[in-house]
Amino acid sequence: AQTVTQSQPEMSVQEAETVTLSCTYDTSESDYYLFWYKQPPSRQMILVIRQEAYKQQNATENRFSVNFQKAAKSFSLKISDSQLGDAAMYFCAYRSREGGNKLVFGAGTILRVKS
Amino acid sequence: GAGVSQSPRYKVAKRGQDVALRCDPISGHVSLFWYQQALGQGPEFLTYFQNEAQLDKSGLPSDRFFAERPEGSVSTLKIQRTQQEDSAVYLCASSLRGISYNEQFFGPGTRLTVL
Repeated sequence: AQTVTQSQPEMSVQEAETVTLSCTYDTSESDYYLFWYKQPPSRQMILVIRQEAYKQQNATENRFSVNFQKAAKSFSLKISDSQLGDAAMYFCAYRSREGGNKLVFGAGTILRVKS
Repeated sequence: GAGVSQSPRYKVAKRGQDVALRCDPISGHVSLFWYQQALGQGPEFLTYFQNEAQLDKSGLPSDRFFAERPEGSVSTLKIQRTQQEDSAVYLCASSLRGISYNEQFFGPGTRLTVL
């Protein structure tokens, strides 16, 4: 079974600064998808960024980018120019390409943004 | 509607009561998922539907949990004889197809408190 580990329960960043959230995962599969989701206090989970494991190029979405290290099974999220609206719980998630559609989530990292 | 909706948003039940939680997916979405999120934790998969077929119920914690989607649209998660350990937020998500790269869109969740 796949597992996802987020070792940082909480992180803080100053507004306009850059922060990196860590995620590692364990799998025996070679092809899969990785995601970062944001969950603000309102609870609605929102997709931030997605990475296909077969792609070597790291995904980027505006101020959000990932550092995907397949051999190390590491998938970190970098948020540049942090904004107050980025404050939320961030979840790293894994999804198999074959054999199921469920998301496997990590425990989450609370991100606080200081003004 | 524009997104996934869930009702009720909050439910308080006495231990031993039965509860029913409703999910309205995005119109036209084939796949529907239920997740359970304990306080301060990441969501955990409960069950998955493709249209009206329940293809995976491996995450249901006991036979007190039952889910249905009789017409391939609205889904109901029923919990019989609720226990205190059932207290959690129950999230519903839908996606256009049962394909791994398809984004799952989440509802706001139902917070269940069992007294």
